[in-house]
Amino acid sequence: GAVVSQHPSWVICKSGTSVKIECRSLDFQATTMFWYRQFPKQSLMLMATSNEGSKATYEQGVEKDKFLINHASLTLSTLTVTSAHPEDSSFYICSAIATGKPNTGELFFGEGSRLTVL
Amino acid sequence: GQNIDQPTEMTATEGAIVQINCTYQTSGFNGLFWYQQHAGEAPTFLSYNVLDGLEEKGRFSSFLSRSKGYSYLLLKELQMKDSASYLCALTNQAGTALIFGKGTTLSVSS
Repeated sequence: GAVVSQHPSWVICKSGTSVKIECRSLDFQATTMFWYRQFPKQSLMLMATSNEGSKATYEQGVEKDKFLINHASLTLSTLTVTSAHPEDSSFYICSAIATGKPNTGELFFGEGSRLTVL
Repeated sequence: GQNIDQPTEMTATEGAIVQINCTYQTSGFNGLFWYQQHAGEAPTFLSYNVLDGLEEKGRFSSFLSRSKGYSYLLLKELQMKDSASYLCALTNQAGTALIFGKGTTLSVSS
């Protein structure tokens, strides 16, 4: 099946620094990718929809200047957490739909990136 | 918008059958999804229902009633490895991204 890869899996950073997380579709092209955030013992919350070649669409309550999303190619989307603070510590997961594929319901997820801000 | 409701926790024993319910309200329906998520891992797809009725896939089955805004995931012959969180999800209004419920944590004991 389709594979989505995320990097890094784990990242620890100091408060005030920026962290970039990459999401790659390895064997298919993805016009659209999604970024989710999951706090401990909570469900996945959609942060934004990343569209190749255009601006991301952010969900209500998500600061677009803090969570920068770039979808520069059909196989790569990046999420940059700028000026990270401890409250940004979370599990960030990307997902993708293969371009041209009908929506069969199978959204392919990356392995997730656990961010810890000290 | 969407509103998804499912029980927070359930427990069951090995070999048993468990039914996880999901009720929802949505302004636009494009199908209902079930995902399984083990702690610290990404979700994995289990099932997709767009028409009323029961979809069976091995030990797992999923049922949908659009008129009632109701779905359930049925797990048979439970195994210890089935201990996980089960997420009910709908598409957002744009019909693109998935919006997840809070998930039901299932604990299977021997």
